Amino acid sequence: AQSVTQLDSQVPVFEEAPVELRCNYSSSVSVYLFWYVQYPNQGLQLLLKYLSGSTLVESINGFEAEFNKSQTSFHLRKPSVHISDTAEYFCAVTDTDKLIFGTGTRLQVFP
Amino acid sequence: GAVVSQHPSWVICKSGTSVKIECRSLDFQATTMFWYRQFPKQSLMLMATSNEGSKATYEQGVEKDKFLINHASLTLSTLTVTSAHPEDSSFYICSARDWQGLSDSPLHFGNGTRLTVT
Repeated sequence: AQSVTQLDSQVPVFEEAPVELRCNYSSSVSVYLFWYVQYPNQGLQLLLKYLSGSTLVESINGFEAEFNKSQTSFHLRKPSVHISDTAEYFCAVTDTDKLIFGTGTRLQVFP
Repeated sequence: GAVVSQHPSWVICKSGTSVKIECRSLDFQATTMFWYRQFPKQSLMLMATSNEGSKATYEQGVEKDKFLINHASLTLSTLTVTSAHPEDSSFYICSARDWQGLSDSPLHFGNGTRLTVT
């Protein structure tokens, strides 16, 4: 069965600084990978996804993630964060028909 | 984009009572819906897979008699927490996949239901 590891439970960062949220998954077989964001008291929203093709995927709000098959990673990056990026970020991977989530990373952006 | 409506957004109930949570896909048909539970500061744990017109598939360790799931139509799945106890207090989130979606389609999530059992 698939598993997802998000090594950092919390990432504090100052506004306009770059950030990387790490995600590793367990299996090297074909997978689909997702990043979801959860703002306070809200449900999950899809941030970006990798299905196939280009290993670098981007979101509309400046985040990007790179699928690295050899390292079984799908790290999320943003070159310059905003206060409004403060949220919980979940990496997820498909396991047959199910979606398996990591434990989440709390991104806290300080002014 | 696709919208999943979950109701209620929060509920407080007394121990021993039952609570029903609804999950509706508003602009697409969902043959499969998923119910997750999220503990404070933890990830989402899949509880069960709800299939329209058939019995739900529960994950290991989830009591099917306690968490009753009904998926009576292509747009509605319900989760009933029966005889609720304080340890059932949690954040419950439903999600749905468009009926045309394959496993590469992202799930659409409801905004969740905060259940507090007193």
